[in-house]
Amino acid sequence: QSALTQPPSASGSPGQSVTISCTGTSSDVGGYNYVSWYQQHPGKAPKLMIYEVSKRPSGVPDRFSGSKSGNTASLTVSGLQAEDEADYYCNSYAGSNTGVFGGGTKLTVL
Amino acid sequence: QLQLQESGPGLVKPSETLSLTCTVSGDSIISRSYYWGWIRQPPGKGLEWIGSIHYSGSTYYNPSLKSRVTISVDTSNNQFSLKLSSVTAADTAVYYCARLEVVAVPSDYWGQGTLVTVSS
Repeated sequence: QSALTQPPSASGSPGQSVTISCTGTSSDVGGYNYVSWYQQHPGKAPKLMIYEVSKRPSGVPDRFSGSKSGNTASLTVSGLQAEDEADYYCNSYAGSNTGVFGGGTKLTVL
Repeated sequence: QLQLQESGPGLVKPSETLSLTCTVSGDSIISRSYYWGWIRQPPGKGLEWIGSIHYSGSTYYNPSLKSRVTISVDTSNNQFSLKLSSVTAADTAVYYCARLEVVAVPSDYWGQGTLVTVSS
């Protein structure tokens, strides 16, 4: 059960869009529609931003969107704002009642 | 408003057992068919799912930790607990408890986290 692969860093200027990828296998990301994304600011607990690939919890801005193609899931942040600067983690159900996180991506707003 | 709060020793000696409890308030731990779980994050590193439990007592563990982990539930006190045996410095991490709607996929409610350091 290997960690999902995320780019270590991503960046964009205010107002721009940025997409973070999360690559797994057919045994996790590609096999189930249970991919979630979490935002984590320094010293804080992770916050759920996207669940079941593309659904947004109440209160999460619609600037955040999720998608999946094959074994790769993606999180897109549109209209970047300063407060979006944080670490982002993906998570997927991996079958047999287990789950796996990605290694995390540090998003910098330039 | 659902709240989760971790509690337990912040320092554990190598080879001993780490024990943490998560107290759930604002809703009953058995009110709906959720799972309750533990996730950890070593300093400066990523998140790792440790394991989950259903209020019925069914448990699910990360295969890489399964031999050392026990998660239990106390429905009378609305709590669930984590025990991790034979700890080493590699188990030093912030430990979070969380509610999960899918057995190993945390949802929208997390505790604030508690740092556990393994050191003699």
